[in-house]
Amino acid sequence: QSALTQPPSASGSPGQSVTISCTGTNGDFGGYNYVSWYQQRPGYAPKLMIFEVNKRPSGVPDRFSGSKSGNTASLTVSGLQAEDEADYYCTSYAGSNNLLLFGGGTKVTVL
Amino acid sequence: QVQLVQSGADIKKPGASLRVSCEASGYTFTGHFIHWVRQAPGHGLEWMGRINPHTGGTRLAQTFQGRVTMTRDTSSNTAYMELNWLTSDDTAVYFCARGAATHYMDVWGTGSTVTVSS
Repeated sequence: QSALTQPPSASGSPGQSVTISCTGTNGDFGGYNYVSWYQQRPGYAPKLMIFEVNKRPSGVPDRFSGSKSGNTASLTVSGLQAEDEADYYCTSYAGSNNLLLFGGGTKVTVL
Repeated sequence: QVQLVQSGADIKKPGASLRVSCEASGYTFTGHFIHWVRQAPGHGLEWMGRINPHTGGTRLAQTFQGRVTMTRDTSSNTAYMELNWLTSDDTAVYFCARGAATHYMDVWGTGSTVTVSS
């Protein structure tokens, strides 16, 4: 199984919204709503932003939201702030030998 | 607070093995999976596998089966990941992460930089 497909980059001005897609196959998502999103700033470990498609861990601003339709999951960052500039990775639970698949990552730039 | 502290940077020669440690604190070690994820320079994240610290059972990504061993020591709340037959392609930062469930990770380790070079 290949990595999930994400656009390499996305950008928006402060206050705007940006949406990142994460596309896989039926097998990649395994029929589960087990999609999560991680934010990684340069030189730092990833940080969980969304789990189980649309749930936010405590402390993550509600500007971050997730959704899924068919074989495409999405992360939307509303009200962009300079601190949101980072790489974002999606993962899915494939439920077979490759239990977790990562997307290739999307670099979000705040203009 | 929940913390995962990893071993320091290391340099290895091709063909050698690496062993990275991940010491957990602030929670019940045997109550959560430990996942291992690596990131080559300038590349994305790659899931390597996970260990159940309670049972010692592991699930590995196909890419790493036969080359990776994941173990744990419950007396010291430490997980280990060993990767054999290193090549330059194994140069990466290796992260451990606590599994909030089988399918996502809520706390990440500090990262261990491994360079494979002759």
